[in-house]
Amino acid sequence: DTGVSQNPRHKITKRGQNVTFRCDPISEHNRLYWYRQTLGQGPEFLTYFQNEAQLEKSRLLSDRFSAERPKGSFSTLEIQRTEQGDSAMYLCASSPTLAGGKYNEQFFGPGTRLTVL
Amino acid sequence: AQSVTQPDIHITVSEGASLELRCNYSYGATPYLFWYVQSPGQGLQLLLKYFSGDTLVQGIKGFEAEFKRSQSSFNLRKPSVHWSDAAEYFCAVVYTNAGKSTFGDGTTLTVKP
Repeated sequence: DTGVSQNPRHKITKRGQNVTFRCDPISEHNRLYWYRQTLGQGPEFLTYFQNEAQLEKSRLLSDRFSAERPKGSFSTLEIQRTEQGDSAMYLCASSPTLAGGKYNEQFFGPGTRLTVL
Repeated sequence: AQSVTQPDIHITVSEGASLELRCNYSYGATPYLFWYVQSPGQGLQLLLKYFSGDTLVQGIKGFEAEFKRSQSSFNLRKPSVHWSDAAEYFCAVVYTNAGKSTFGDGTTLTVKP
């Protein structure tokens, strides 16, 4: 399977702990996106990378959140000092870039469901 | 600010009946438009997309959608619903080549036997 993969699929943690999620995009997709989805809502944009450069961050991404894509391949999303409000599904998507920088569709992974107790 | 409205939180249809899910977007420019489906606990699967050209687009699983610029709408339709179509449906827009997507809050579809 050459789709977007995310690990772990589920994470239960206690308030105040740090967690890290990993996303492996489709090979050769140079764009990678992170979204957060809470119950009953649509996904909300968090951040995106073009290769290893983080080009945009949402206001939702507080200073407890950090994302990296060190070699332009996989990405990690870390949440420090987790709070109960961080409980959500975290979705990763990747996208190729067409010639001339044109946008192409995003392919989503299965998500990581975080529960903060 | 960019926003997407899906007016129907929950829709119930009988199997074999037709379906229309509504989507409206704000903001002046014409965005890229998408419909996704999500089964419980799963990621998003793309049903169809509109970038330009013919305003009636065909997607997977027998779905189609029509872009109406005058109404800022991109409604999803299916002529005959199957029980396996029960899921949550999201409309999304992208305004720039950066690709940041703005999603509606979704419509949950229930299919009655």
